[in-house]
Amino acid sequence: DADVTQTPRNRITKTGKRIMLECSQTKGHDRMYWYRQDPGLGLRLIYYSFDVKDINKGEISDGYSVSRQAQAKFSLSLESAIPNQTALYFCATSDFRDSTDTQYFGPGTRLTVL
Amino acid sequence: DQQVKQNSPSLSVQEGRISILNCDYTNSMFDYFLWYKKYPAEGPTFLISISSIKDKNEDGRFTVFLNKSAKHLSLHIVPSQPGDSAVYFCAASGDPGTYKYIFGTGTRLKVLA
Repeated sequence: DADVTQTPRNRITKTGKRIMLECSQTKGHDRMYWYRQDPGLGLRLIYYSFDVKDINKGEISDGYSVSRQAQAKFSLSLESAIPNQTALYFCATSDFRDSTDTQYFGPGTRLTVL
Repeated sequence: DQQVKQNSPSLSVQEGRISILNCDYTNSMFDYFLWYKKYPAEGPTFLISISSIKDKNEDGRFTVFLNKSAKHLSLHIVPSQPGDSAVYFCAASGDPGTYKYIFGTGTRLKVLA
């Protein structure tokens, strides 16, 4: 079984709709992240969480919110989706005991906003 | 402004030959670097890393070289295999233990059989 899972894997929605992307991990890591990937722009950090009570904005948090429901679960919400939020979204985890903070990624969610 | 740059969006190499993927960075405070490999429909997977106290790190067919004075790192794959065909991302951090990994835009490697 995959260590980091994301649901759904694909989603098509309309402008103005609220969308939630979910991430679960069985790695036992305390740190979790949400990134988006756009063609030609690489991976950009949206939000990150170092533990259940810790939520931090990343590089591009506008239009997004997150919830850390448990150590193993981290959800990303688009309150009112817009077409330029069409992208590939990745969840990642890392272990605070790893001084390099190497991140382990889920398989991604492809979101299309019409 | 892109702090981590992968200027070659794509690269094709014959099977058995060397693949060299390049990455340039602008922030001299970056001191830890990672390479990730990404197959279609999958998330990036960690490949190899290097700390700024080293100039080379090897793991099997994969070697990463770091030239701090030039702010340049490269990933060498020898010999290249068709299964290495993927998108490769470099990432840099100036503060291990925090979230701040900055990713490059990726290079798509195609290894021709």
